Amino acid sequence: DIQMTQSPASLSASLEEIVTITCQASQDIGNWLAWYQQKPGKSPQLLIYGATSLADGVPSRFSGSRSGTQYSLKISRLQVEDIGIYYCQQASSAPYTFGAGTKLELK
Amino acid sequence: EVQLVETGGGLVQPGRSLKLSCVASGFTFNNYWMSWTRQAPGKGLEWVASITNSGGSTYYPDSVKGRFTISRDNAQNTLYLQMNSLRSEDTATYYCTRESGPFDYWGQGVMVTVSS
Repeated sequence: DIQMTQSPASLSASLEEIVTITCQASQDIGNWLAWYQQKPGKSPQLLIYGATSLADGVPSRFSGSRSGTQYSLKISRLQVEDIGIYYCQQASSAPYTFGAGTKLELK
Repeated sequence: EVQLVETGGGLVQPGRSLKLSCVASGFTFNNYWMSWTRQAPGKGLEWVASITNSGGSTYYPDSVKGRFTISRDNAQNTLYLQMNSLRSEDTATYYCTRESGPFDYWGQGVMVTVSS
């Protein structure tokens, strides 16, 4: 099975700050990487797919990048509504594994 | 507007069975693979099952293989998850998800509690 190692587990940041979350895949998954945001008490929502493509309706301050088997989610200017838990997921092959999540809080 | 509405959750004893349903609307159901993903209380996300758009093929992780069965009725725009031999570790919120590579739409989730 492909393991997704996500870091950090938690992150405290200030408004307007740049935030970066990373996921390391245990093997090559190409661009089959998605990022999800889960706000408290809500279902997860797709943010990024294909490692770098923004899902419909997602603000442009979110972006995704890839370097080999390391993937990053960047929030360019943190807003209050960005607070929640972020998960990466590989969609390259079953079982479709998720990272353990990054809890993003306001400082 | 894409909508996925899950039903069928509840409290069930260990070893018993439960069947979840998900009614889809707002898109052409038989064009998409569908999946179930779960989240134990306070924990992360775990993919549980996927089914091709025709229903001809299904996929499971080892944690549920042989106990859970995903199926669909394209005429009724409905996805199912039959869960047998339930264990306490199956306690979770179960989400119905549409697949288009990533899981691009999620239902509101339904809670399943396995306890005596």
